[in-house]
Amino acid sequence: ETGVTQSPTHLIKTRGQQVTLRCSSQSGHNTVSWYQQALGQGPQFIFQYYREEENGRGNFPPRFSGLQFPNYSSELNVNALELDDSALYLCAGSLAGVAGELFFGEGSRLTVL
Amino acid sequence: QQQVKQSPQSLIVQKGGISIINCAYENTAFDYFPWYQQFPGKGPALLIAIRPDVSEKKEGRFTISFNKSAKQFSLHIMDSQPGDSATYFCAAYGGGADGLTFGKGTHLIIQP
Repeated sequence: ETGVTQSPTHLIKTRGQQVTLRCSSQSGHNTVSWYQQALGQGPQFIFQYYREEENGRGNFPPRFSGLQFPNYSSELNVNALELDDSALYLCAGSLAGVAGELFFGEGSRLTVL
Repeated sequence: QQQVKQSPQSLIVQKGGISIINCAYENTAFDYFPWYQQFPGKGPALLIAIRPDVSEKKEGRFTISFNKSAKQFSLHIMDSQPGDSATYFCAAYGGGADGLTFGKGTHLIIQP
């Protein structure tokens, strides 16, 4: 049990739509990061939030955005969905001072048609 | 550009055997190297990790070997069991807010 829960577990959207994915992390995980895992690939870093501010981003366009709330929950928003956005989206919490040690949720499987 | 290269892509090992997965990295700023285990329908779970100031770390049946000069590290699973069947990812971290860089994964099957 990682203490990280994500919703929804599965969803289907059509190209051009917008989607919001949610994550709840246990107390103490003051850093939350989001990863995209395409089928058969390793997770790719999207961005990281610390104290409700984005403080790191991977190679993803601005239509990927996020929020972190005071209660350690977080959102990932993706606008103007493209077919290639179909993937498993993973949220990860990390303990203060141990940023490289991630605790992943089970992910949200997004299918874009 | 793939910064962490992982091999093999898939691996079949007999029960009781040794499973070996290899990774190589390019960025010398990386200073933390974890391995994650992922079962179908689950998120990755941290298995074991090493920092470059040591050449080997062992936790139970799992051992990481690290070669800083060659920029390579490997995971050894001793006495492999069917329950070890999963996808394994190596990763590297450079500190700050860079996020983890993952390899493409190794699908491990332990045959009973």
